Amino acid sequence: NAGVTQTPKFRVLKTGQSMTLLCAQDMNHEYMYWYRQDPGMGLRLIHYSVGEGTTAKGEVPDGYNVSRLKKQNFLLGLESAAPSQTSVYFCASSGHRDTPSYEQYFGPGTRLTVT
Amino acid sequence: GQQLNQSPQSMFIQEGEDVSMNCTSSSIFNTWLWYKQDPGEGPVLLIALYKAGELTSNGRLTAQFGTTRKDSFLNISASIPSDVGIYFCGVTSGSRLTFGEGTQLTVNP
Repeated sequence: NAGVTQTPKFRVLKTGQSMTLLCAQDMNHEYMYWYRQDPGMGLRLIHYSVGEGTTAKGEVPDGYNVSRLKKQNFLLGLESAAPSQTSVYFCASSGHRDTPSYEQYFGPGTRLTVT
Repeated sequence: GQQLNQSPQSMFIQEGEDVSMNCTSSSIFNTWLWYKQDPGEGPVLLIALYKAGELTSNGRLTAQFGTTRKDSFLNISASIPSDVGIYFCGVTSGSRLTFGEGTQLTVNP
């Protein structure tokens, strides 16, 4: 079991460029999440999904889009990157259809710098 | 949204000392979680608490779910250098998890 994996691990973008971060999980979890982590601000929820084909906004969704076309994958897109999106991005997954979803399992993170 | 107050923000201790950190909220929650994040890694779940008053241990770690359901604390006994990292509390609301801002722990050998 690889758990939760994220690609890429590092990326540098110029302002205005676009990119997609990929998250994959092999635990058959229903729920998947994207967070960003900035110094002194903990982890903030960007978007999440409660099942294949569903997405919902979190605490800081502006400037990001997501898609969950397959149960095991959750994609985070930046259409026009801004320096304020420089951060470390974490994906997480949790829960099976009939069991509580409280315990989230995190990927190793993607460090994104926008210049 | 929900806000968690986690304290202290940072701690510098000597190896072998005990550590205590806590989280408080103005709202009631049914689940409290504690995570640890090593440098350059994602958070890892340490302890999950599901009942008010519950006291749960995981090795040298002990966490309690406050009886008012508005707070929780985490204790680490006999700290060792590998305890270094950021510790986060978290509460759940539906399928969403809200984190505290973290306690940065440094252990001096």
